[in-house]
Amino acid sequence: DQQVKQNSPSLSVQEGRISILNCDYTNSMFDYFLWYKKYPAEGPTFLISISSIKDKNEDGRFTVFLNKSAKHLSLHIVPSQPGDSAVYFCAARVTSGTYKYIFGTGTRLKVLA
Amino acid sequence: DGGITQSPKYLFRKEGQNVTLSCEQNLNHDAMYWYRQDPGQGLRLIYYSQIVNDFQKGDIAEGYSVSREKKESFPLTVTSAQKNPTAFYLCASSTRGEGNQPQHFGDGTRLSIL
Repeated sequence: DQQVKQNSPSLSVQEGRISILNCDYTNSMFDYFLWYKKYPAEGPTFLISISSIKDKNEDGRFTVFLNKSAKHLSLHIVPSQPGDSAVYFCAARVTSGTYKYIFGTGTRLKVLA
Repeated sequence: DGGITQSPKYLFRKEGQNVTLSCEQNLNHDAMYWYRQDPGQGLRLIYYSQIVNDFQKGDIAEGYSVSREKKESFPLTVTSAQKNPTAFYLCASSTRGEGNQPQHFGDGTRLSIL
């Protein structure tokens, strides 16, 4: 069963506007949620994370929001830039001490100039 | 500078052949991971290792094997028992312990069947 879901496979946004990428999860035993950015033929790179005890974390143009009651997190990018065009994965870390991560299926963001 | 190196970048396998994908890190990370990515899918965990000489199966371990004899190295063998090995394989590492420990990824190996 898919414990971390990204229901939107793709998203297009105009340059300068806000990009909102969404992620839902079904397991409450996650202690950290992370967002990764991936370009074609490269490995993902870490973008931003949030602890399960927080509801917001901000780093420059990137903000992650966590709604625990809805089991939902989102990544906001503002303003969006053409260089942000990539596939974004959300991931969740299992709390059992095994340091195991569960990834979503990814959302391809295209920022239009 | 520190990072994760996966080799080769592209690999071709004949039917019935075992192949080994290399993953080396110089980040002094204890934990290492292997993922598989297929088109339109996320990263699926094959195997992971928390410390040297120890590893656990992930969600799709059948047809794969690993070893962790050194902290820096975590090679993945795709055996002939893996019926659909064509995919993009990613290796990652992280530190262990409390707090956020994001994974660092290599640039992947694309495996194709001849």
